[in-house]
Parts: sequence; C-alpha cells; structure tokens
Amino acid sequence: EVQLVESGGGLVQPGRSLKLSCAASGFTFSNYYMAWVRQAPKKGLEWVATISTSGSRTYYPDSVKGRFTISRDNAKSSLYLQMNSLKSEDTATYYCARPKPIGTTVFDYWGQGVMVTVSS
Amino acid sequence: DIQMTQSPASLSASLGETVSIECLASEGISNDLAWYQQKSGKSPQLLIYAASRLQDGVPSRFSGSGSGTRYSLKISGMQPEDEADYFCQQSYKYPYTFGAGTKLELK
Repeated sequence: EVQLVESGGGLVQPGRSLKLSCAASGFTFSNYYMAWVRQAPKKGLEWVATISTSGSRTYYPDSVKGRFTISRDNAKSSLYLQMNSLKSEDTATYYCARPKPIGTTVFDYWGQGVMVTVSS
Repeated sequence: DIQMTQSPASLSASLGETVSIECLASEGISNDLAWYQQKSGKSPQLLIYAASRLQDGVPSRFSGSGSGTRYSLKISGMQPEDEADYFCQQSYKYPYTFGAGTKLELK
C-alpha cells in the first residue's frame, strides 16, 4: 500500500525557515518524480514544487522560486521541502504527492498533509 | 500561467440527480486535465485524468469530457458520499494550476 507521511510543520515567524519531510513507502520511491502541493485555509490547491527521480531537475512556480527548495533522499525514500524567508501567504496545509506515471503530472497519491502557519 | 476558471463555485443536488461541473482553461491544454475530489478534512483524491480516463477504483457514475479549453466533470446520480469539493488541474505545462473549486452539497 502506498503511503506518504508528512512531518515538520508548525508555527513559524515571518522571515524564518522551516523544513518539511515526507516519508514514502509501498512503492519504489526512486522510480517516481515527486511533488509538494499546498492549500491555504478554506482555499484552493496550489502546486509548489516537483523533483525528478534523481533530484537533478526541480521545478517551482514563481510564488516560491528562490525561497523554497525541494530535495530527496532515495536511499531513505524521503522527500523534503526547505522553506526560507517565509511569508504569511505561505500559511497552508502542505501535501506530499506522487504523480501518476503516465507522462503527464497528475497526482494519484497524497499524504495526509502538514500544517504550516506563518505568523508573528 | 494558464488560468483555470471553474464553475459553479457551489451547487446543491438531490439524491440521484445528475451534476455537471465545468473548467475553462485560458489556453488550449490538449486534454491534460484532471479532476480531484476532496472531502472535508481529507486529502484530495484523483477521479479523472487525461480529461476522460477514470482512475482505478472510482465509481463509474463519475465521467469527464471536453477538449481544447473546455472540460467538464459529470456525476450521474448524486450519492451522499459525493458531497465534497471538486477541483480541476491542468498538467499541460508548468506551472501546473488548479481551478478554484466547486463545493457540492446534497440537497
């Protein structure tokens, strides 16, 4: 059974940093691109980052580019999101998500999500 | 960025009623369109991908259609467990973008 379990969320002050982790199991992690998607309270979904299987390629929307870094450790089947210079608008539930391996990026497995609150 | 305009924002349906939700992309997305269901307090679940392909395990009352810039999700026979938020997502090009969502309630 595919499982994605996020951790590392919490309350952080604006301008500070936080690192999220996602532990994957039930599939060959190193064979899949992986991604983070977030959802602000009572709002819609926003794609945050994608990483290739080896970690050599990463992709971000402009809203987080230069502040967030996605990475992975295939030996540990783990995905990470380093978030720097956090802003109040980064307050959201962050989901680790696995793209369906069909050549286009749709997400067939999601973690339970971890809450990040950016506030002074 | 490709904008995804989803409508309606909310709707209420009776048991057994057929429901339709639409997504309009700001440019052609070549059927790279997915639909997700999110129940209250839960993670999103993939329903439809490639505009019309049903994800494994999803009831056949869910169907997707469309082409170019216009896509729709149809629920043929509303069930109590279908009460949820629904989102579309384009995967045609970066940055991947989602519609704002449709809140579906049982009347």
